[in-house]
Amino acid sequence: ETGVTQTPRHLVMGMTNKKSLKCEQHLGHNAMYWYKQSAKKPLELMFVYSLEERVENNSVPSRFSPECPNSSHLFLHLHTLQPEDSALYLCASSQGGGWWAGELFFGEGSRLTVL
Amino acid sequence: AQSVAQPEDQVNVAEGNPLTVKCTYSVSGNPYLFWYVQYPNRGLQFLLKYITGDNLVKGSYGFEAEFNKSQTSFHLKKPSALVSDSALYFCAVRDLRDSGGYQKVTFGTGTKLQVIP
Repeated sequence: ETGVTQTPRHLVMGMTNKKSLKCEQHLGHNAMYWYKQSAKKPLELMFVYSLEERVENNSVPSRFSPECPNSSHLFLHLHTLQPEDSALYLCASSQGGGWWAGELFFGEGSRLTVL
Repeated sequence: AQSVAQPEDQVNVAEGNPLTVKCTYSVSGNPYLFWYVQYPNRGLQFLLKYITGDNLVKGSYGFEAEFNKSQTSFHLKKPSALVSDSALYFCAVRDLRDSGGYQKVTFGTGTKLQVIP
């Protein structure tokens, strides 16, 4: 399998549930990202891991908890979410940064609905 | 801080006609610029990027984009639109001076392209 794979594709959860989103990349990249996509808003960067170390955390509520156990896997743990957290969550990976202008490779997203 | 503006929520064009999707950017240093496309129920796919050199950049599926430094624009173009081009298009920018170990990219709000048969 190639590219970036996200599971599950769809998730419905209540506000008191705990669930996790999973992302796996088969591209040998060293950076992985979580983005939130809501209608009529720019993509919101939530977290970035570079070489398995969290390097960006954009004021995301603590009810979202990322985990990057190795360079190929990224998780987003969810607990006590709010209805406004309903959105498409996109995982992406890339090679490096600095002078290298590498494109992001995205998964197909996990559509989350919080009831 | 860097930012991207896509002034049109939606662009409608007849099949076979040329299309343009507009993007302007703001960045402190020199920009890296990108276009991505998102088909329904899919993730974003890379179309093309500008790093340096020729202001006209060619990408996938017959798309091209023109970098204009004086107008801080990076408009996406295609000479002849196809119905299958209907999708959501995102412009993105990165500051060349960012030296972190990842791609610190800022995306626009997206423009929905509707190609009418």
